[in-house]
Amino acid sequence: GAGVSQSPSNKVTEKGKDVELRCDPISGHTALYWYRQSLGQGLEFLIYFQGNSAPDKSGLPSDRFSAERTGGSVSTLTIQRTQQEDSAVYLCASSSRTSGRILDTQYFGPGTRLTVL
Amino acid sequence: AQRVTQPEKLLSVFKGAPVELKCNYSYSGSPELFWYVQYSRQRLQLLLRHISRESIKGFTADLNKGETSFHLKKPFAQEEDSAMYYCALRKDYGGATNKLIFGTGTLLAVQP
Repeated sequence: GAGVSQSPSNKVTEKGKDVELRCDPISGHTALYWYRQSLGQGLEFLIYFQGNSAPDKSGLPSDRFSAERTGGSVSTLTIQRTQQEDSAVYLCASSSRTSGRILDTQYFGPGTRLTVL
Repeated sequence: AQRVTQPEKLLSVFKGAPVELKCNYSYSGSPELFWYVQYSRQRLQLLLRHISRESIKGFTADLNKGETSFHLKKPFAQEEDSAMYYCALRKDYGGATNKLIFGTGTLLAVQP
């Protein structure tokens, strides 16, 4: 079946502009995550959505970052007034959260490479 | 705060040599530990998780709570093992969040 998809695959923007990154999770997956992969920093958790629960926003680095998930499916990560330090690969993942641990595996998308000039 | 440490940025070995990718964590609870792998031009994917106690592609990892380690091992490296490997931690299952805390990754290069 189709995996997690993300768009665009690459985004180049100028400092100060706003950007929107999109994630389509695997159909039926109730949990959705955003991570950021920066050079030398590894993967950094940003935000987590689980069903209708309030999202865990504890990883968002500043109030310029926000995310929403509409209809329990597609998610959009928005970065306002982008800065050069926002340049990174933004990864989305989804999982099917049940009582069984094995089904909690997070499946990752290909990522969006953001470059802020 | 929880932390995952992978001390080696790069590990270069020859084909057929044993491999050990180190991972240490800091967390006072009972975490779940994972190894993820990213091959060139491919997406990040789960390699193995400690609760499964599996051997995947010849790799194994044992959770050592005393040493707070979860090192990834393979007795005989293959060229196709060359990839970036990330160790990750998740806090107690069933908590309010399912987020993963990743290490900075180790690039494994297997030379012919």
